[in-house]
Amino acid sequence: AQSVTQPDIHITVSEGASLELRCNYSYGATPYLFWYVQSPGQGLQLLLKYFSGDTLVQGIKGFEAEFKRSQSSFNLRKPSVHWSDAAEYFCAVVKASGTYKYIFGTGTRLKVLA
Amino acid sequence: EAGVTQSPTHLIKTRGQQATLRCSPISGHTSVYWYQQALGLGLQFLLWYDEGEERNRGNFPPRFSGRQFPNYSSELNVNALELEDSALYLCASSLDGGGGSDTQYFGPGTRLTVL
Repeated sequence: AQSVTQPDIHITVSEGASLELRCNYSYGATPYLFWYVQSPGQGLQLLLKYFSGDTLVQGIKGFEAEFKRSQSSFNLRKPSVHWSDAAEYFCAVVKASGTYKYIFGTGTRLKVLA
Repeated sequence: EAGVTQSPTHLIKTRGQQATLRCSPISGHTSVYWYQQALGLGLQFLLWYDEGEERNRGNFPPRFSGRQFPNYSSELNVNALELEDSALYLCASSLDGGGGSDTQYFGPGTRLTVL
């Protein structure tokens, strides 16, 4: 069965430090991959997505993610974190063809220290 | 342009009652998706509607149902509420549900509490 794993439930970083959030998926073929962010009291906002092509994807708010097929990973990175980045981050995969269904990871909650 | 809207913001029910949640998609979007976000479980896919038809559903019992209206708005109904139905219910919409490449845009959610 398809699955998405975000191994880190909570991450704390200092403002200005770099960030990497991990995402691993289990899938028979290359799926479509997404990162969303959820701020308190708000819905999910799309940060970036990967369908095909260049494995390094740029998103909004200075985020990027790299697809590594050999590791079945799609880790999210940011070189310098801002206090406003504190939120919960979700990785999601969806089948590239066939019946359409998103599968989300359980999320990583990011705390930023001033 | 208005985003996805959901109502009500909060809903409190007791066990055995029925809950109705509503969602209005972004103008021009024909696909609506429902998710349950329970504490510690991430987002679980519930239902997908496109052009008024149910296209797919997740691993939820039949007491979770819904429909999509001609104006593409949608309603999620949960019958015979159980305590474990307490969660944030998120609605998302996309342009045409043409496949995984179609980006979903999320509403702020309805917080359902079952007592």
